[in-house]
Amino acid sequence: AQTVTQSQPEMSVQEAETVTLSCTYDTSESNYYLFWYKQPPSRQMILVIRQEAYKQQNATENRFSVNFQKAAKSFSLKISDSQLGDTAMYFCAYYNQGGKLIFGQGTELSVKP
Amino acid sequence: EAGVTQFPSHSVIEKGQTVTLRCDPISGHDNLYWYRRVMGKEIKFLLHFVKESKQDESGMPNNRFLAERTGGTYSTLKVQPAELEDSGVYFCASSRGGITDTQYFGPGTRLTVL
Repeated sequence: AQTVTQSQPEMSVQEAETVTLSCTYDTSESNYYLFWYKQPPSRQMILVIRQEAYKQQNATENRFSVNFQKAAKSFSLKISDSQLGDTAMYFCAYYNQGGKLIFGQGTELSVKP
Repeated sequence: EAGVTQFPSHSVIEKGQTVTLRCDPISGHDNLYWYRRVMGKEIKFLLHFVKESKQDESGMPNNRFLAERTGGTYSTLKVQPAELEDSGVYFCASSRGGITDTQYFGPGTRLTVL
């Protein structure tokens, strides 16, 4: 069975600095997808970034980028130039052809002014 | 385009009572998912509809939970009778077509069973 682990329950960063959230996963499959979702205090969970396992190039979305290490089964999220609006719970998720998302425990990120 | 909506946003009930949660997916999305997050733990999959059919209900905790999706549109998740351990946040998500499509989440329903 696939598992996803986020080892950092809480993190904080100063505004404008860079922070990296870690995520590891376990799977025997070769084709899958990985996601980072963000849930701000208002509770609506939104997609931050998506990575297809067959793509070697790391995905980027503006200030958000990932470091995808397939052999190590690692999928970290880097947030550059952190903003107060980045304060949220961040969930790493694994997705296979079965259709369901498997989530990590979440990392609560606080961006401090 | 309206997002996924869920109702109610918060429900507080007594143990043994019945509660029904509702999810309205994004229009045109055939896939509808229910997930649950119990306090402090990871979000866990409950079940997956494709249109009105249950594709995968392997995550449903027990037979006190009943999910339906009438006509392939909105979905309801009924808990009867509710137990203390059912407390948590129930999320609904939808996606358009292929199962690799991105899932869009609703704001969740926070259920508290006293």
